[in-house]
Amino acid sequence: DGGITQSPKYLFRKEGQNVTLSCEQNLNHDAMYWYRQDPGQGLRLIYYSQIVNDFQKGDIAEGYSVSREKKESFPLTVTSAQKNPTAFYLCASSARGAASGNTIYFGEGSWLTVV
Amino acid sequence: SQQGEEDPQALSIQEGENATMNCSYKTSINNLQWYRQNSGRGLVHLILIRSNEREKHSGRLRVTLDTSKKSSSLLITASRAADTASYFCATGVRTGNQFYFGTGTSLTVIP
Repeated sequence: DGGITQSPKYLFRKEGQNVTLSCEQNLNHDAMYWYRQDPGQGLRLIYYSQIVNDFQKGDIAEGYSVSREKKESFPLTVTSAQKNPTAFYLCASSARGAASGNTIYFGEGSWLTVV
Repeated sequence: SQQGEEDPQALSIQEGENATMNCSYKTSINNLQWYRQNSGRGLVHLILIRSNEREKHSGRLRVTLDTSKKSSSLLITASRAADTASYFCATGVRTGNQFYFGTGTSLTVIP
């Protein structure tokens, strides 16, 4: 089946640790995105990538890092510099950017909790 | 931030009634999309309306767009308990390639 796969679904992080959330898509989409969602809140853009080996910061990039070495993969690392990382993280992709009128497809999300 | 806002934040209705939620945004857009999110899940695309369109239908969904007021509305007719979810609008702006999401409306349909 075509789609976006995020893993793990649930992740616990100790203080001071870096953790990496995986996102893989087999839709052959050029653009990929990471959003953060806090309980009862909307989505905030962390990073996005329009093409392999290129990515841009979103509204809340501090404390996060990404890479786009392959078209189908866009992992997100939550670093120890992110002081309040407990949230629901959503990965998404679209054929091209938002201005082109493409639909954005989402993974099922990853819950990150700091313990 | 260019994030939009949905109104109301929460809506509770009886099954069979219609549900209307609104979205306001700040900048010129190419298109506006509505998404649905069940609790703890990813978002699912419902409908897209382009900036040169004023109304669009898909099944029980009706979307309107007023670019002069920078607002859109989503109408769900004959609601069902299974429509219980959060609904978000997302805008594609003319410059840049990000999607900007609103804050969401939480809809509860009571059987």
